[in-house]
Amino acid sequence: GAVVSQHPSRVICKSGTSVKIECRSLDFQATTMFWYRQFPKKSLMLMATSNEGSKATYEQGVEKDKFLINHASLTLSTLTVTSAHPEDSSFYICSANGNYGYTFGSGTRLTVV
Amino acid sequence: AQSVTQLDSHVSVSEGTPVLLRCNYSSSYSPSLFWYVQHPNKGLQLLLKYTSAATLVKGINGFEAEFKKSETSFHLTKPSAHMSDAAEYFCVVSETPGNTGKLIFGQGTTLQVKP
Repeated sequence: GAVVSQHPSRVICKSGTSVKIECRSLDFQATTMFWYRQFPKKSLMLMATSNEGSKATYEQGVEKDKFLINHASLTLSTLTVTSAHPEDSSFYICSANGNYGYTFGSGTRLTVV
Repeated sequence: AQSVTQLDSHVSVSEGTPVLLRCNYSSSYSPSLFWYVQHPNKGLQLLLKYTSAATLVKGINGFEAEFKKSETSFHLTKPSAHMSDAAEYFCVVSETPGNTGKLIFGQGTTLQVKP
């Protein structure tokens, strides 16, 4: 079946630094990738939708300059949290959409100290 | 606009007893509906999906769900709960027909399984 690899699974960074999260579709081409944020004991909140080779579409209230999304190929999308602050600490999950439907990565736990 | 409502934020059952997680949806067209499971600090795993074929959908790990258009429901059931079923469950609807648009998540139901 379809597999989406998300790295890193956990990251701790200092306030003010940037962190990059990768999302790769391992055995299929993902025309569209989605990035979600999940707060403790809450549902998934869609941050943005990215299509290969074009700019990401951000949901209302999501700062595009803070959460940079790049979808350079049909198998790779990255989310960069720039100038991270403690309030950016959260669980981030990607999802890739291809021939197998929607497949989710295993998530990244970001802690900003 | 499409939406889903999970009627219970928390469900507690004893091991070996049936599981019922309730979900109602709202959609202006024939929806694609999904149930996902999430274990702590993990990504989401697809349990099953409905895409306008058979109304009774069988999924993995003994779960199944029935699409009832008249009741706008898509409840998830399992005859006998296992301890490993304890997790967070999400009912999800696709924003657009088919499987290409954004997914809209319910608020989630925490399933607790007692020994």
